[in-house]
Amino acid sequence: EAGVTQSPTHLIKTRGQQVTLRCSPISGHTSVYWYQQALGLGLQFLLWYDEGEERNRGNFPPRFSGRQFPNYSSELNVNALELEDSALYLCASSLGAVNTREKLFFGSGTQLSVL
Amino acid sequence: QKEVEQNSGPLSVPEGAIASLNCTYSDRGSQSFFWYRQYSGKSPELIMSIYSNGDKEDGRFTAQLNKASQYVSLLIRDSQPSDSATYLCAVDAGGTSYGKLTFGQGTILTVHP
Repeated sequence: EAGVTQSPTHLIKTRGQQVTLRCSPISGHTSVYWYQQALGLGLQFLLWYDEGEERNRGNFPPRFSGRQFPNYSSELNVNALELEDSALYLCASSLGAVNTREKLFFGSGTQLSVL
Repeated sequence: QKEVEQNSGPLSVPEGAIASLNCTYSDRGSQSFFWYRQYSGKSPELIMSIYSNGDKEDGRFTAQLNKASQYVSLLIRDSQPSDSATYLCAVDAGGTSYGKLTFGQGTILTVHP
């Protein structure tokens, strides 16, 4: 069974540009989460989607947005890129919300570099 | 105060020893607790979950949870060089933020032959 898949694996952008990252969850999982892992900062919660709806978001500016499609895949969009957006962006999926004891499984991530 | 705190290490243990990793959390409403292992340049991999007070064993790994003291720990018995990685403690945000897992900064473990 395929795990969480993310694309692309690497991206290089310049300040002010826009980027779209993609994620396909494990088959049967309806919840998709996005996390940012910047150097030295640990994993920071970005967004949670479930059944096509945004259920929760972390402490990030509105230029970070996303959506979940009917097949439960998801996109993360980042507008007006800034240098500090350089990070590993991890997508994860679960059967349901982690508060209900569901386990979170991560994809391999997209490494974004902003120059 | 950080929501989830871990000793950053690095923690260095000899092969065959027990490695002990600790984590404290601030939200008393948290119900789900996880340990992830992250090798350098790789994504986090779930190795243990625990939801009730006490110990939970899985092979060489034992997770311990004490909700009254708000700490969770991970013991790795018979440590192997392949266990060298960053170990991340993750805690659900409880009533403060549904669906969110909060991660600690991670403890770097090095197992030397």
